[in-house]
Amino acid sequence: DAGITQSPRHKVTETGTPVTLRCHQTENHRYMYWYRQDPGHGLRLIHYSYGVKDTDKGEVSDGYSVSRSKTEDFLLTLESATSSQTSVYFCAISGTRTSEGTDTQYFGPGTRLTVL
Amino acid sequence: SQQGEEDPQALSIQEGENATMNCSYKTSINNLQWYRQNSGRGLVHLILIRSNEREKHSGRLRVTLDTSKKSSSLLITASRAADTASYFCATDAGSGSRLTFGEGTQLTVNP
Repeated sequence: DAGITQSPRHKVTETGTPVTLRCHQTENHRYMYWYRQDPGHGLRLIHYSYGVKDTDKGEVSDGYSVSRSKTEDFLLTLESATSSQTSVYFCAISGTRTSEGTDTQYFGPGTRLTVL
Repeated sequence: SQQGEEDPQALSIQEGENATMNCSYKTSINNLQWYRQNSGRGLVHLILIRSNEREKHSGRLRVTLDTSKKSSSLLITASRAADTASYFCATDAGSGSRLTFGEGTQLTVNP
């Protein structure tokens, strides 16, 4: 398995509180991604990073921010959690982007977040 | 909106039978990938097919791609109970280093 860990693995929090999820990789991959997975929606991209301090928005970025200060860590922050952000969050990494397109993505084990 | 849509949403078969899942997408792609997700786990990459390829094999997996119809199929031959999982297609449409995932097909293989 690719060396990706997510912390915490489970979290219950209250509406309005800030929450930070951490993704850590030991593969030295350039690209890192945060997805959320909800029934009926599959995986949706929140934010991604293509290098240290280089990030961009995905399709469901409202209410989320990210930071990547070093290659191995990608943080996802919910500044003020809402019940609609209850979900399972997955981090993924990717090593290369060749001229033929995006390389394989490797996924972490997920974080189950419940916002009450 | 989702780029890829899988069909069927759910599929139940007996061990030893073949399972076929389909994926349709909307825009031109660089490649299409299939992933598997066991319950409560992260996704695992199965196979990647590039836009200039029409068919690809990996063990019991066979993937086809028809760019004229914007569709792909994943065939799992001689299925096993351990193949029970959700299967997702994901497309690279060239919009940065990103994949767009479909909603998945839930495959149940009964022993």
